[in-house]
Amino acid sequence: GAVVSQHPSWVICKSGTSVKIECRSLDFQATTMFWYRQFPKQSLMLMATSNEGSKATYEQGVEKDKFLINHASLTLSTLTVTSAHPEDSSFYICSASSRGEQFFGPGTRLTVL
Amino acid sequence: GDSVTQMEGPVTLSEEAFLTINCTYTATGYPSLFWYVQYPGEGLQLLLKATKADDKGSNKGFEATYRKETTSFHLEKGSVQVSDSAVYFCALTPNGSGNTGKLIFGQGTTLQVKP
Repeated sequence: GAVVSQHPSWVICKSGTSVKIECRSLDFQATTMFWYRQFPKQSLMLMATSNEGSKATYEQGVEKDKFLINHASLTLSTLTVTSAHPEDSSFYICSASSRGEQFFGPGTRLTVL
Repeated sequence: GDSVTQMEGPVTLSEEAFLTINCTYTATGYPSLFWYVQYPGEGLQLLLKATKADDKGSNKGFEATYRKETTSFHLEKGSVQVSDSAVYFCALTPNGSGNTGKLIFGQGTTLQVKP
């Protein structure tokens, strides 16, 4: 139990386009989900906290208009990278909280050409 | 602000060797401490945790003790196996909020165990 999936697992897009990444809790409901970003050989950096039915809380330095987060249901949160540029290329990881623990998705590799 | 520092990898060991991955932290108050493991192609999984000073977390032969006096949470295993090859992340949540809140991660340490 407590499985979190992400889709797609990898995506390549052209500069200037928008990309949507989905995060789903498959067998539990999560009122809170988190979005992280990981650069090569660096730690995961929290980007934002997503709460079902309300606006996401962004960490300092994260552009909320560039990284749009929607947590429309208790099992789905989406991250949309708008007008992506090569510097947005990274590994994006989501997690979901349940029963006092945080469960992580496998991540999405975004490459912007 | 709060931060976590891990020893740099990669760490390469032979099977049955002793493993230590160092982790130190900077935090105000009394954080909860965690070790996560990421196997190739999979999401991070909680390996063990400790929520207060002198607690020892343990799982699958791995252990780590919450040392407030040295602000450390080093990961150890007496005899590693090839299947332990993965990336290990040390992390904390501020002020003992459990791991349902904001996690602050170290940079990760890659472990490679050779037969």
